[in-house]
Amino acid sequence: NAGVTQTPKFQVLKTGQSMTLQCAQDMNHNSMYWYRQDPGMGLRLIYYSASEGTTDKGEVPNGYNVSRLNKREFSLRLESAAPSQTSVYFCASRKQGTDYGYTFGSGTRLTVV
Amino acid sequence: GNSVTQMEGPVTLSEEAFLTINCTYTATGYPSLFWYVQYPGEGLQLLLKATKADDKGSNKGFEATYRKETTSFHLEKGSVQVSDSAVYFCALSHVQGGKLIFGQGTELSVKP
Repeated sequence: NAGVTQTPKFQVLKTGQSMTLQCAQDMNHNSMYWYRQDPGMGLRLIYYSASEGTTDKGEVPNGYNVSRLNKREFSLRLESAAPSQTSVYFCASRKQGTDYGYTFGSGTRLTVV
Repeated sequence: GNSVTQMEGPVTLSEEAFLTINCTYTATGYPSLFWYVQYPGEGLQLLLKATKADDKGSNKGFEATYRKETTSFHLEKGSVQVSDSAVYFCALSHVQGGKLIFGQGTELSVKP
């Protein structure tokens, strides 16, 4: 009954460092998403993967890359972190073709100093 | 394009007060509408949803009605509790497209 699992929960990076945020879901969902949450701005879509083997840019993709490793896993990579990427990152998944809404992970709080 | 606008927060209420959080949307076609809730330190949880005009979503005493004529999906609860303190997000998506578009969120604080 894990749902969507994100790691790590917290991370502090120095400007210019790289890191990968991991996300895995065990619900056999087709679609997966990465959002960032910033105060007063709601959640904004970074990248998404409608199905295994495909990825597409969302609203704010600059500075990020993604990999849909298999149906379960969807990772988000910051190649050269910047202070503007300080945020809370949420991964979500959804069964394609449904209106069930999304299932969200518990988030990764990233601080870039 | 598609967008969601929520009333500004924070909203502070006394326990047992009536709650309304306004949400309006702009979208092509007939999106599904959602309310998500985020408790402190946690991820988002689906609170309720509605998939077509005049549908009413309800859960845990919260209700929202899909009003196509006013493009609105206002969240209501008759008597709030301290445990309802959280951030509430209105959102829309199309089943085919799948991307969930959020409003900016409304923080609710309920005082005893």
